Parts: sequence; C-alpha cells; structure tokens
Amino acid sequence: EPEVTQTPSHQVTQMGQEVILRCVPISNHLYFYWYRQILGQKVEFLVSFYNNEISEKSEIFDDQFSVERPDGSNFTLKIRSTKLEDSAMYFCASSVQALAGSSYEQYFGPGTRLTVT
Amino acid sequence: AQSVTQLDSQVPVFEEAPVELRCNYSSSVSVYLFWYVQYPNQGLQLLLKYLSGSTLVKGINGFEAEFNKSQTSFHLRKPSVHISDTAEYFCAVSDRNFGNEKLTFGTGTRLTIIP
Repeated sequence: EPEVTQTPSHQVTQMGQEVILRCVPISNHLYFYWYRQILGQKVEFLVSFYNNEISEKSEIFDDQFSVERPDGSNFTLKIRSTKLEDSAMYFCASSVQALAGSSYEQYFGPGTRLTVT
Repeated sequence: AQSVTQLDSQVPVFEEAPVELRCNYSSSVSVYLFWYVQYPNQGLQLLLKYLSGSTLVKGINGFEAEFNKSQTSFHLRKPSVHISDTAEYFCAVSDRNFGNEKLTFGTGTRLTIIP
C-alpha cells in the first residue's frame, strides 16, 4: 500500500542552525501539508500546499519556515534558524483531492522528531 | 475558528469491554469530522470520517462514530476492545469551505487496554 515517508526519523540540531525535513508524499497526491506535535500537546497545522504554492498557513508558520516541492516527488519543510521551542514531532501529510471529494483523506507520514539543543 | 475538545485524556478499559471516547467540537460553519489513531512510534492513521450522509459511520478495526449536530459531538465507540487497540486517539475537524483543508485536532485520548 502506498505510504507517505519522511526522513530523517530523528534530527538533532543546535539552536540557530537551519534544518530541512523531507517528505515523499504518495505519488498521485496533489495536496500536501505539514503539522507538528510538541511533546504532550495536540497536533497543530502548519501549512498546506497545492499547485506549487502555499494555500494556507497558520500563525506558527512565520518567516523562519518555508516549504518547497523541488523535484515533483519530495516536499520539504525548512526552518531557517531553529529555536528551542521548535522541538517537536513534525508530520507530513498528503491527499489526492480537495476536501469536497467523497474519498477525501489526509495520509500522514511517521514523523520526524526534531530536537533543538 | 474551530476547536475540538476531547474531555478524557486517558481511558483505561478492560479487554473485551466496550469503550466510548468523547469528542465535542465548536465551529461557526458546517464541518467534516475525523478520528485518527496513533500507535506508539507511528504516524497518524485514519480510523473513520464523517463527510455527509448517514450520521453513523463505521471505520476500521471495528470502530464506529456518530455525528450529532445538535450536541456538536462525534463520539467514537467500539463494542469490544482488544489489547491491540492500545493507542492515542485524536478527533479532528475541518470546515466545509473549499480550499480550507487544514485539520484542527483535539488533545488526544490515550486508550489503555487492561488484560
């Protein structure tokens, strides 16, 4: 069964460093998302991406964050200068169609645990 | 803005007993509703969803949920749980506006099955 994959599974970085989290969505999917889950808290929406542009972003997704689909298969989340509070599990998700479709479902990857020291 | 409330952070249940995990939502518009499950060290997996039609929806692993618009609830039930159901369960909502597909999650309910 097709699945969303994410690399790395765990990333440790120092405060102020740039990190890139990588995701490979399911191949025929058109909509892409990033969420994060700080330890012990709920899953929070960061950004959605469609047709090579951001369709929606949350207040969390400030200028330090960016997303890209560089080659038609990968979907990346970049954090330019990491802060301690960026430590969280980051989930990538994808869906084949818009919310109005009867088969709508967001498929989630296993996550990347980011630890900022 | 939408919000989701999962009142029970932890629910211990004996094996083969029934379980109900509660979810209430708040939204100024019509919504779509979802339950996701997260097994230890894994990502989120969709259990079931309500988009339209029958208010009783059946999902994978024997789970079902009922959408109650008047009570703004979408409680998850299973008549007989198994050890393998031990996991974190998240209720999520998305509004019906096309182009606004973000999911808003609750804080999760940790279901622990007691042998």
